[in-house]
Amino acid sequence: QVTLKESGPALVKPTQTLTLTCTFSGFSLSTTGMRVSWIRQPPGKALEWLARIDWDDDKFYSTSLKTRLTISKDTSKNQVVLTMTNMDPADTATYYCARGTKTSSILVFDYWGQGNLVTVSS
Amino acid sequence: DIQMTQSPSSLSASVGDRVTITCRASQAISSYLNWYQQKPGKAPKLLIYGASSLQTGVPSRFSGSGSGTDLTLTISSLQPEDFATYYCQQSYSTPYTFGQGTKLQIK
Repeated sequence: QVTLKESGPALVKPTQTLTLTCTFSGFSLSTTGMRVSWIRQPPGKALEWLARIDWDDDKFYSTSLKTRLTISKDTSKNQVVLTMTNMDPADTATYYCARGTKTSSILVFDYWGQGNLVTVSS
Repeated sequence: DIQMTQSPSSLSASVGDRVTITCRASQAISSYLNWYQQKPGKAPKLLIYGASSLQTGVPSRFSGSGSGTDLTLTISSLQPEDFATYYCQQSYSTPYTFGQGTKLQIK
């Protein structure tokens, strides 16, 4: 079955760089059509899509955050890594990774990780 | 970026009620609209994709409709397990965007 799990620090200091890893199983990012996205959710607030990486290494980013984000993959390890630079308390959120697939040509997030709460504080 | 506006932001209803949540896009998105349900402390769950297609395993009391800029999610007869927060999400173009959420509470 498909599973995803986020890992990374629970606490980072302002101005530091956050590195999160999504380790997945049940599918391969070398399979045509597979994609993984990162999505975050500040406490009590809405979901915000951050970035996407595709099977062919295409990458897409949030307009407002693209200067701070880098997404990469290690297909051999079934991992996707997100880095976010210059962290701020406003970046405190639960960070999710999710599989993206096309169902009837519609991109959906059909499997999600459990989330990794990251608090930004000195 | 395409802005997604959900209404209402919160809703109180009773078991057995029929409820409708609306999602308005800032530009036409055809049927590239998905609905997710999120319960406290859990990841979102895909309910509806392509505006009206039911994800496998989702009860038939959930339905979606609409196209273009105005799309809706309807729950025909609320069950206790349906009290949660619902989000719409456009997959018409990147950057993908979500609505602000509708919190469905027990009256």
